[in-house]
Amino acid sequence: GENVEQHPSTLSVQEGDSAVIKCTYSDSASNYFPWYKQELGKRPQLIIDIRSNVGEKKDQRIAVTLNKTAKHFSLHITETQPEDSAVYFCAASRFGDYKLSFGAGTTVTVRA
Amino acid sequence: AAGVIQSPRHLIKEKRETATLKCYPIPRHDTVYWYQQGPGQDPQFLISFYEKMQSDKGSIPDRFSAQQFSDYHSELNMSSLELGDSALYFCASSRNGGRVGTGELFFGEGSRLTVL
Repeated sequence: GENVEQHPSTLSVQEGDSAVIKCTYSDSASNYFPWYKQELGKRPQLIIDIRSNVGEKKDQRIAVTLNKTAKHFSLHITETQPEDSAVYFCAASRFGDYKLSFGAGTTVTVRA
Repeated sequence: AAGVIQSPRHLIKEKRETATLKCYPIPRHDTVYWYQQGPGQDPQFLISFYEKMQSDKGSIPDRFSAQQFSDYHSELNMSSLELGDSALYFCASSRNGGRVGTGELFFGEGSRLTVL
């Protein structure tokens, strides 16, 4: 099955700085890569996703890049704000599957 | 907009007891997923249903069973509960043929199970 690795496990940044989280996946057939944000005790919420036919996608302060050859994808958050503090999960799936495989999560803390 | 509804939100059980969690997907969503999330861990896929049929199975213990009903709601039944079953259980739903790659997963607020 798919194995997703995520780094770093914790990330502390100064407000206004950028945050980058990286994930690698094992199944070369995976073609859907969402990112979820989860606040303590809350449900995971999709913040951005990318499909394998695209190398980069941006939504305001959030961007995701995908390198299919190297089997890794990254989340970039620019101009971080305190409300960006949360646990971020990357995930991967193969078209036709009915599940997502999650990375272990990155706890992001934005210092004011 | 309607979201995924889970009940109960909190549940406390003793070891060896049985628990049932319910999930009501977003209207017109045809696929339901169950995930288990332990403290400080990532969500672990348990099982999914597409059009009332089991579509995939993950790390679900044999003590657990689930089904999707004709109205598309789903129930997760857990028997012979163990301390290690204490976790947050999320249900998610999607549409567009139930294929993850074609539709976003919408998560419910979760059901927190505590086994004493």
